[in-house]
Amino acid sequence: QVHLVESGGGVVQPGKSLRLSCAASGFTFSNHAMHWVRQAPGKGLEWVAVISYDEDNIYYADSLKGRFTISRDNSKNTLFLQMDSLRVEDTAVYYCARDVNDLGDSHFDYWGQGTLVTVSS
Amino acid sequence: DIQMTQSPSSVSASVGDRVTITCRASQGISTWLAWYQQKPGKAPKLLIYAASNLQSGVPSRFSGGGSGTDFTLTISSLQPEDFATYYCQQANSFPRTFGQGTKVEI
Repeated sequence: QVHLVESGGGVVQPGKSLRLSCAASGFTFSNHAMHWVRQAPGKGLEWVAVISYDEDNIYYADSLKGRFTISRDNSKNTLFLQMDSLRVEDTAVYYCARDVNDLGDSHFDYWGQGTLVTVSS
Repeated sequence: DIQMTQSPSSVSASVGDRVTITCRASQGISTWLAWYQQKPGKAPKLLIYAASNLQSGVPSRFSGGGSGTDFTLTISSLQPEDFATYYCQQANSFPRTFGQGTKVEI
């Protein structure tokens, strides 16, 4: 069955960087677009970014202002999120989610369990 | 960006009640809308896609409707396992946006 497992979260100081990973299994990873969604403590869901199956189409939330970079390695069935210049307000659980389609223009049918990123001095 | 507004923010209900949650988009999104359920400490779960299509494995007491700017999620007979927070999300354009959530509680 479809399985998404995030890793790489932890405690980091403001201004530092962190790289999250999402290991996928149980489906043909290269056939699906993938998203990152985050949730600050006690808050709602916030979409972060999407990458199409072939990496040709990438979109980000406006609020990230170029600090985050989404990428993927289809040979390793892994999705990444490089987060630079982290801010306290980036503290959240980060989820990876599978798009039903290859271009990322549909809904999310599977989600990982999330990884917690805490930005604090 | 398309803003998604859910109402109410929370609703108190009992087992067996009929519950309806509404979601309004700031501009027309046809039927590009999904509903997710989230329980505390867990990842969201897809319930409804394309406004009214039930995801495989989701109980038939859940139903969705609407098009354009106004949408609804209805739970016909609330069960104990349905107490959770529900989010709508538009899939019409980027950036994807979610509603603020509706907490269904006792």
